[in-house]
Amino acid sequence: GEDVEQSLFLSVREGDSSVINCTYTDSSSTYLYWYKQEPGAGLQLLTYIFSNMDMKQDQRLTVLLNKKDKHLSLRIADTQTGDSAIYFCAEISPGGFKTIFGAGTRLFVKA
Amino acid sequence: SQTIHQWPATLVQPVGSPLSLECTVEGTSNPNLYWYRQAAGRGLQLLFYSVGIGQISSEVPQNLSASRPQDRQFILSSKKLLLSDSGFYLCASGLTNTGELFGEGSRLTVL
Repeated sequence: GEDVEQSLFLSVREGDSSVINCTYTDSSSTYLYWYKQEPGAGLQLLTYIFSNMDMKQDQRLTVLLNKKDKHLSLRIADTQTGDSAIYFCAEISPGGFKTIFGAGTRLFVKA
Repeated sequence: SQTIHQWPATLVQPVGSPLSLECTVEGTSNPNLYWYRQAAGRGLQLLFYSVGIGQISSEVPQNLSASRPQDRQFILSSKKLLLSDSGFYLCASGLTNTGELFGEGSRLTVL
């Protein structure tokens, strides 16, 4: 069935790089996403990658996609305290109407 | 550009009372609309989605219902709230390569 899995917690020091990993099951997904949720707020789309790409970079964010292993990662360079949030990995469902979300990775950034 | 608003932001209701959460979208027409629930510290659970006026798909059996009386209006309701209905409810719009746009969320506490 459809499933997106990611680790629940990650703790890094300010200035270090953060890497959040995700695995998904639907190999036909055309788009994969990373969302950010700050406390008490809705989700905000951070970035997305099309399935025919291996990598996408956007300022401090780098997304890597390994289609063979169905593995997606989000790297945040020079992590700041403002990056502390929950990060959700997501894919489009096979029918195309729904987004399948992972449980979210809570990133703690220590000053 | 597209915007999405949901209200109220915070709600405290007694068990057995009714519920109405409202979501409206601006800047687009005929969007896909979604209601999610997020339990404390957990991932997102899709409750309902709608691809058009009067078209509602329910993802999980529950005490809640949804309606779409207008193209850009999506309402989440309950006739009698249960304690287990407490949570953070999120409305979202759209599903394109740019992902879903989320509202700011409505925190419901049932006492």
